[in-house]
Amino acid sequence: AQSVTQLGSHVSVSEGALVLLRCNYSSSVPPYLFWYVQYPNQGLQLLLKYTTGATLVKGINGFEAEFKKSETSFHLTKPSAHMSDAAEYFCAVSGGGGFQKLVFGTGTRLLVSP
Amino acid sequence: DTAVSQTPKYLVTQMGNDKSIKCEQNLGHDTMYWYKQDSKKFLKIMFSYNNKELIINETVPNRFSPKSPDKAHLNLHINSLELGDSAVYFCASSARDLGPPKLFFGSGTQLSVL
Repeated sequence: AQSVTQLGSHVSVSEGALVLLRCNYSSSVPPYLFWYVQYPNQGLQLLLKYTTGATLVKGINGFEAEFKKSETSFHLTKPSAHMSDAAEYFCAVSGGGGFQKLVFGTGTRLLVSP
Repeated sequence: DTAVSQTPKYLVTQMGNDKSIKCEQNLGHDTMYWYKQDSKKFLKIMFSYNNKELIINETVPNRFSPKSPDKAHLNLHINSLELGDSAVYFCASSARDLGPPKLFFGSGTQLSVL
């Protein structure tokens, strides 16, 4: 079984500051890990995903995440926040292969102030 | 050109009524899903269909019945609506491949049961 814990339901940053959204996972099999973003009144969009190989994954809009197996973490970062980054961010895990369901975390709302 | 479209966007109804939400995808995907997002933004899978066949059925009251007339459509019918059914329901689709599923989400249907 898989589960995801996102620390902090809200994260506030100033425009231009570093963004760090935390995600820890639990999985009994090698995990696939994802970050999705949800803008107001919209569905979720895939930001990036980790499957195998390189542990630092780059996604859209300047975001990246690093898979750390020893820490069971997959934190999302962006060097410099933009106002347009304000949204809800969801970390998700699946067990890999076949018809695997995604298990989502409870989300972190990113607030960006001028 | 909407990839995954859901109707209606908003649904307000009385307790005890029966309602349906429709979902269509034009991405050529063979797997479709229904997710429920509660008031705390927690996303949980309800159902998944692959080529019109039910493959994931989470612990969902049998008042909820998905129907897939073809692989481009997955509708959700809810009988005897209850207050606790109020939530945002997201349809999603993905292509079947050996890697992790990349889900494409609709923009959601906000269901309010009064």
